[in-house]
Parts: sequence; C-alpha cells; structure tokens
Amino acid sequence: DAGVIQSPRHEVTEMGQEVTLRCKPISGHNSLFWYRQTMMRGLELLIYFNNNVPIDDSGMPEDRFSAKMPNASFSTLKIQPSEPRDSAVYFCASTGTGDNEQFFGPGTRLTVL
Amino acid sequence: SQKIEQNSEALNIQEGKTATLTCNYTNYSPAYLQWYRQDPGRGPVFLLLIRENEKEKRKERLKVTFDTTLKQSLFHITASQPADSATYLCAPMNTGFQKLVFGTGTRLLVSP
Repeated sequence: DAGVIQSPRHEVTEMGQEVTLRCKPISGHNSLFWYRQTMMRGLELLIYFNNNVPIDDSGMPEDRFSAKMPNASFSTLKIQPSEPRDSAVYFCASTGTGDNEQFFGPGTRLTVL
Repeated sequence: SQKIEQNSEALNIQEGKTATLTCNYTNYSPAYLQWYRQDPGRGPVFLLLIRENEKEKRKERLKVTFDTTLKQSLFHITASQPADSATYLCAPMNTGFQKLVFGTGTRLLVSP
C-alpha cells in the first residue's frame, strides 16, 4: 500500500489566491482527517470525515476554509482567499473502522506570500 | 477547556540512557492515549496506544504508563540511540470518538 498520498508537497502562492490541497486516504479506510501544523499552535485538527460525511468541522478557522470528500478515495481542502497567516504544513490522515491508529500523509507545506 | 501539556523544551540525553517524556492533561477523561513520533519534514507515525485500564504498555524499547489519577502519561525509551531523535507527540482520545487532540510535542535529541 502506498500509504496516504497528498499533493502538492509544496505550494507557494500569493495572498488572495485560491489554494486546493488534495488527499488520497489508504484504501479501505473510512475516516479521514485534515490537520494543520505550525510552530506556534502545534498540530490542530481542522475537520474529519466518516464514510465521506463531515463529522466535526469545529477546527476550521473561518469561512475561507472548506473541505470536501466526494468519494472514499479522495478529499480536498480549499482556502479561498488565502492569507499569509494560513502558511503552515497541512496533513491528511486516515484510519479504518474500529482502529484508533491514524496514518498520516507526508503533508503539504503551504507558503502564502 | 481541555489542555494537553508536553515539555516544550528539547530533551537532550546521551546514547544508552533512558529518555522519559511527560504528557499531562486537564479537563479531560480520555479512555485511551496514543503516542506518535514525528521526524522533520514528515507526518507523525503511530507508536503505542494505552487504555485507561492499563497501567503500563511495552513495545520493544518503548514503555508507556497511564495514570488517570495524576492525569499523566509517561513515555520511556530505554537504551536510547541517536536514531530515536525526533519529536514525540501524545494524543488523548475519548471513547467512541476518533478525534485526536495532540499535545505540542517534545523534541528528543540523543547524542552519541
């Protein structure tokens, strides 16, 4: 298994632009999580899905952030418009039914200028 | 509000010694507690899970304790090696929920 796949690995954009981050969870996993990691705030959960349905989006910072999971093998996190304070590493993780262990992807390092 | 505290200062130890990392939590009654390792530029990797009715869990050179009275978990690496240098994150978890809340992590540096 290739593990959790994220793209792009690095993204540099200018303030005001739309950014879309992509994630492919491990095949057979039914829960998907989006996290953001910064030096100041550590690893924060933004949103998670169970069976493609958003369960908890209380960590989404504001309306500029949105996430979708159209099917079991794909999810996107969109920021529109992006701001410099959105600069961080964004991780996607997945887990299977009854499992507690989360499998993380390699992350997307986002820099907003 | 729920709070998870890990020592923000790096822990420096010599190879061969035992490293002990601390995770304290408040306003929380987790049923499980997980520990992850994170290397620079990579995502966290699961190491161990301990349940509230387990006092101790071991895996190779790793040992985790869970004291629900003190609201604390200790993570030990015995016979530490330079390859153990990384950031270690704890994550308490409630029953029936998959949502993890991570501590800020403690960086461990093992010198040869």
